[in-house]
Amino acid sequence: DSGVTQTPKHLITATGQRVTLRCSPRSGDLSVYWYQQSLDQGLQFLIQYYNGEERAKGNILERFSAQQFPDLHSELNLSSLELGDSALYFCASSVTGGPENEQFFGPGTRLTVL
Amino acid sequence: KNEVEQSPQNLTAQEGEFITINCSYSVGISALHWLQQHPGGGIVSLFMLSSGKKKHGRLIATINIQEKHSSLHITASHPRDSAVYICAVRYGSNYKLTFGKGTLLTVNP
Repeated sequence: DSGVTQTPKHLITATGQRVTLRCSPRSGDLSVYWYQQSLDQGLQFLIQYYNGEERAKGNILERFSAQQFPDLHSELNLSSLELGDSALYFCASSVTGGPENEQFFGPGTRLTVL
Repeated sequence: KNEVEQSPQNLTAQEGEFITINCSYSVGISALHWLQQHPGGGIVSLFMLSSGKKKHGRLIATINIQEKHSSLHITASHPRDSAVYICAVRYGSNYKLTFGKGTLLTVNP
């Protein structure tokens, strides 16, 4: 158990809908990362937050947005869902978010868009 | 173009065999991670290294900065080692991780 929690574990929804994925980092970790893992693209970095502020952005679509709250939990919002958004979404956390920090991964949320 | 290349893509071994998985990358990395992903989907961080060698139990990770290459070795492999092993690198001061496509390891009893 990494100490990172993600909810829900599974999510099934329809095209065009909007969903919110939630992540709670390990106690004491200030940085949160979001990743998408799809069959054709593998693991891809989406976005990173550090202590409430966006720190780095990867291959995140405009239909997706994220935020980190004062209690350090984070939410990833996916809107106007398409079939291709079906994937595993992982959250990870680290102490400060610097390159020297190990990242601890949550169990993931499996999103299925029908 | 994926900047992190792993080989082999698939590897089948007999229990007890010595396993090597390779990872090559392009210039100027600040850190390299080895991750393990079990069939259930969860990801575990095995190692993070920027130079030299690290060992944890039967797992050994090495990195050669000049050759831009890292290896993950598993000694005395066991069926419970069956998983996807993923190499990920951080380039320079960039915060994001770039991932390889993974190596699917199957260890048969």
